[in-house]
Amino acid sequence: NAGVTQTPKFRVLKTGQSMTLLCAQDMNHEYMYWYRQDPGMGLRLIHYSVGEGTTAKGEVPDGYNVSRLKKQNFLLGLESAAPSQTSVYFCASSRAATTDTQYFGPGTRLTVL
Amino acid sequence: AQSVSQHNHHVILSEAASLELGCNYSYGGTVNLFWYVQYPGQHLQLLLKYFSGDPLVKGIKGFEAEFIKSKFSFNLRKPSVQWSDTAEYFCAVNSGPGGYQKVTFGTGTKLQVIP
Repeated sequence: NAGVTQTPKFRVLKTGQSMTLLCAQDMNHEYMYWYRQDPGMGLRLIHYSVGEGTTAKGEVPDGYNVSRLKKQNFLLGLESAAPSQTSVYFCASSRAATTDTQYFGPGTRLTVL
Repeated sequence: AQSVSQHNHHVILSEAASLELGCNYSYGGTVNLFWYVQYPGQHLQLLLKYFSGDPLVKGIKGFEAEFIKSKFSFNLRKPSVQWSDTAEYFCAVNSGPGGYQKVTFGTGTKLQVIP
């Protein structure tokens, strides 16, 4: 039981490049989330999903897209990376509602030059 | 919109000192409250949570938190900290009338425990 895993762990991009972050969970959770963590700002929700095939915007969705084609996977895409997207990205999942405990992945440190 | 305030951004304590980290939230209705911890180099994990019932909640590793509804607070406490408690602590609140209930995180408090 690996819990929540994220790929890659580190990435450096140039402005304008694109990339996809992969989040996978093996706990059969319905809800999945993408957060970014910036110094002094805590965790901010980018997008979330309440089930396979569904996605919704969080607090800071601009510049990001997501997909949840399979229940266990939640992908975060950056179509044209900007320096403002330099951050640590965390994926999380919860069983059936946001009142449930969220289980976090190890994070992806992204630097956009 | 709900918000969460953690007033202490960086706390430095000696081992065996007592700890209290403040957390205040803005939502006036029914809330669910969480404390998460992020140890250096590790991912966030749940420390404790409050949904209902006894307002004094006990979590892992000797931590506890008290929900005081009249003060909109959910402060985290530990009577005697250890070096291994060095970490960043996040308060979070979940509220709303139903459907998707957004979880809002505070900005975090970095705790450094000096041996």
